[in-house]
Parts: sequence; C-alpha cells; structure tokens
Amino acid sequence: SAVISQKPSRDICQRGTSLTIQCQVDSQVTMMFWYRQQPGQSLTLIATANQGSEATYESGFVIDKFPISRPNLTFSTLTVSNMSPEDSSIYLCSVEPPWTGRGTEAFFGQGTRLTVV
Amino acid sequence: SQQGEEDPQALSIQEGENATMNCSYKTSINNLQWYRQNSGRGLVHLILIRSNEREKHSGRLRVTLDTSKKSSSLLITASRAADTASYFCATDSNQGAQKLVFGQGTRLTINP
Repeated sequence: SAVISQKPSRDICQRGTSLTIQCQVDSQVTMMFWYRQQPGQSLTLIATANQGSEATYESGFVIDKFPISRPNLTFSTLTVSNMSPEDSSIYLCSVEPPWTGRGTEAFFGQGTRLTVV
Repeated sequence: SQQGEEDPQALSIQEGENATMNCSYKTSINNLQWYRQNSGRGLVHLILIRSNEREKHSGRLRVTLDTSKKSSSLLITASRAADTASYFCATDSNQGAQKLVFGQGTRLTINP
C-alpha cells in the first residue's frame, strides 16, 4: 500500500487569505489527485497533478483559485486562494500507485479540514 | 458531474444485522469500487468489482454489479459498531480519463 501524509490536518483561516496543503507519498507515483468534499457531500475531483506538466482541472475549478505544484514524483501541494466561507471543506489528496495498475485501488491522505471565517 | 447516486442516504441498524447500500451510475465503466470514510477523514478502499464480474466477496462484504441496470450493491453482514461510517461507491469510466467519480454516499450507523 501507499502511505500518504497530508498536512495540515485542519485549519481555521480568515477570508481573503490563502492556505497551502501538502501531500507527501512514500513511493513514486505518476499521478496525484486533489478532491474537495463539502460538508455532508461526496468527493469532487478538483484536478489531476502530473509531475513535469501543468495540472489538469475539472469543470468548475480554475488554476487561479486552486494552484497546484508537483515538483517531483512523491510530493504535491494544493493552494486554496483568496478564501471565502464557501471554501470550507475537507480537501483530500489521492494516488493510484503504479504497481496496482490503472483504475484499481486509490489511496487517500487523511484530509485537511478547512474552515474559513 | 457526479455520476453515482446512492441509496439510502442514511441507514441505521442494530449490531449484528445486515446492511445493504445501493449505487447507480450513468456511463460505461471499467470497474466500480467501494470506499469507507470514518468521521470525515481519509477514504479506505474496501473492494473493487470489474465490469465483467457480477459478484465479489471479501470477508463480511459482498458486492454485486449489474451493468445492464448500471447499479451495484454493497452488503455488510453481521454488522459491528466499528462499521459505523460513510460508504461511497466510485466508478472508473472507460472514457479514457484516469479518475474516479464518487457517489453521494450512505451514512451507516450501527447501534449497539
């Protein structure tokens, strides 16, 4: 299995500020995924982060609001910019390790619970 | 957009009873997976069933898949208090993009 360390685990932030969430994996992976889970809702994919290329954003999410870095095969960051209370959610990173094959099992970090006040 | 719909949204049963959750989806899939989430934390993979499979077992878990109806069910037998969690189905489409689409989830509560 892949071990994913995500931090911070939670934060309370002032509106208008930005928060950067880190995701560290204990093995090299090609693709990392960032999800948002709004209160009481399911997971929605924000973007897919490939090492060495720009992240691919899903409909409704833009780079200016959610810039992503992927400097190497074990690390990624997601920034939530210019936050508003509507950004209060759990943010999760996920990977599909190459040894499991495409579309098999995804591993998740423990999530970052963000509250914007 | 979310393609998975799950029902019920919430389920409360007594310890020892069986729990059944259902998931429907809209497009063709490579496989369907079930995940558990405890108290808003990270998701844990439970079981995967491929599009050419109809039923799969893992311990107290039984998953069925009906591709003609685009639906799946997760059965947890002999439930325990520790099974209290949210359960999500997720589909991996065969549309080329490597990503999971999650259902709305079922909140399961096991009463001692």
